Amino acid sequence: DARVTQTPRHKVTEMGQEVTMRCQPILGHNTVFWYRQTMMQGLELLAYFRNRAPLDDSGMPKDRFSAEMPDATLATLKIQPSEPRDSAVYFCASGLRGELFFGEGSRLTVL
Amino acid sequence: GENVEQHPSTLSVQEGDSAVIKCTYSDSASNYFPWYKQELGKGPQLIIDIRSNVGEKKDQRIAVTLNKTAKHFSLHITETQPEDSAVYFCAASRRDDYKLSFGAGTTVTVRA
Repeated sequence: DARVTQTPRHKVTEMGQEVTMRCQPILGHNTVFWYRQTMMQGLELLAYFRNRAPLDDSGMPKDRFSAEMPDATLATLKIQPSEPRDSAVYFCASGLRGELFFGEGSRLTVL
Repeated sequence: GENVEQHPSTLSVQEGDSAVIKCTYSDSASNYFPWYKQELGKGPQLIIDIRSNVGEKKDQRIAVTLNKTAKHFSLHITETQPEDSAVYFCAASRRDDYKLSFGAGTTVTVRA
């Protein structure tokens, strides 16, 4: 059963600490997206890749967030330094020809 | 960029009744319109989608309609069941980039 795998599922950290979230997309999918979900803002697009190349990261705060795809089986989202306002659920999604499949999310709490 | 509006924000229906959720979009170049269902603690799950070359699509108790002229699309759930209770999101994107813009979501509660 192919699925998008995200780790960690939950992360509690203190303000100023570095946080790295990882995603394993579904094998064969050529697009990978990072979304952030909060009650106030809903689902926001942070960044996306096609064939491992970053195409758009305009939704990310550039000074603290970075997204990479070191290989076809791994996408990472890093926050350094983290702030309380970064508390949210971060979703990775992968797709092919438009149909996106989401992971279960990484719930981040920054104290 | 694309702006998707979704209504209502909450919907309570009696089991067996129908539920309808409506969305509008702003970018006339959008041509792909998926619907996602999100259960508590889980990621959004694609339940049905429609592309701009058709006006309606049906899958068992779920149907989606699209009016490109008016730039709106709707989700219809018939014969609702308790397991249909969830948050539903509409989305829109262009086929050349597939960057989904999501509506704010509709919390559907099916009363037994």
